[in-house]
Amino acid sequence: GNSVTQMEGPVTLSEEAFLTINCTYTATGYPSLFWYVQYPGEGLQLLLKATKADDKGSNKGFEATYRKETTSFHLEKGSVQVSDSAVYFCALILNAGGTSYGKLTFGQGTILTVHP
Amino acid sequence: DTEVTQTPKHLVMGMTNKKSLKCEQHMGHRAMYWYKQKAKKPPELMFVYSYEKLSINESVPSRFSPECPNSSLLNLHLHALQPEDSALYLCASSQEPVGDLGANEKLFFGSGTQLSVL
Repeated sequence: GNSVTQMEGPVTLSEEAFLTINCTYTATGYPSLFWYVQYPGEGLQLLLKATKADDKGSNKGFEATYRKETTSFHLEKGSVQVSDSAVYFCALILNAGGTSYGKLTFGQGTILTVHP
Repeated sequence: DTEVTQTPKHLVMGMTNKKSLKCEQHMGHRAMYWYKQKAKKPPELMFVYSYEKLSINESVPSRFSPECPNSSLLNLHLHALQPEDSALYLCASSQEPVGDLGANEKLFFGSGTQLSVL
């Protein structure tokens, strides 16, 4: 089956620190990969995505590169801010002519807390 | 308008009550979704509507009954719920159903309804 594994949290950093949240996946086909962020009391927002190998998704200073050889999509940011405190979810959708129709598979989520 | 609006934001109900959750989007999206999210867990897909027709039911108990009156609205009718059904219920929409070949795969989520079943 398809699955997404994220690093265990919570992750606690000081402002301006470097962030890495690891994400690896298993998939029976060729997936698109996503990072979603959930701020307290809100729904999920798409942070970035990549649809094929070696693609780099980026947004708001966050980056992730689709690595097919290591089946990974690690999230990085060079300098985090207090406002980045949230839960981060790695996710995948299979691109297989509609066989994953409607189904986004999420990782367990990683809680990030950034202190001033 | 790039919002998915959910009402109510909070709901407390007894196990014998009947209530409904509502979701609305005006982005012209053709797919709408219900997810259930327990605390500190990822969202779990419940239902997918595609072009106002139910396309996926993830073996959800019949005490949850979805309804799509038109392309902008999605309801979730609740009846005889159990305390373990307490969770955040998230609605989402996308231009086309995600996973459909060539589709724009961005999901737009509402802020959710925090449901407590007593």
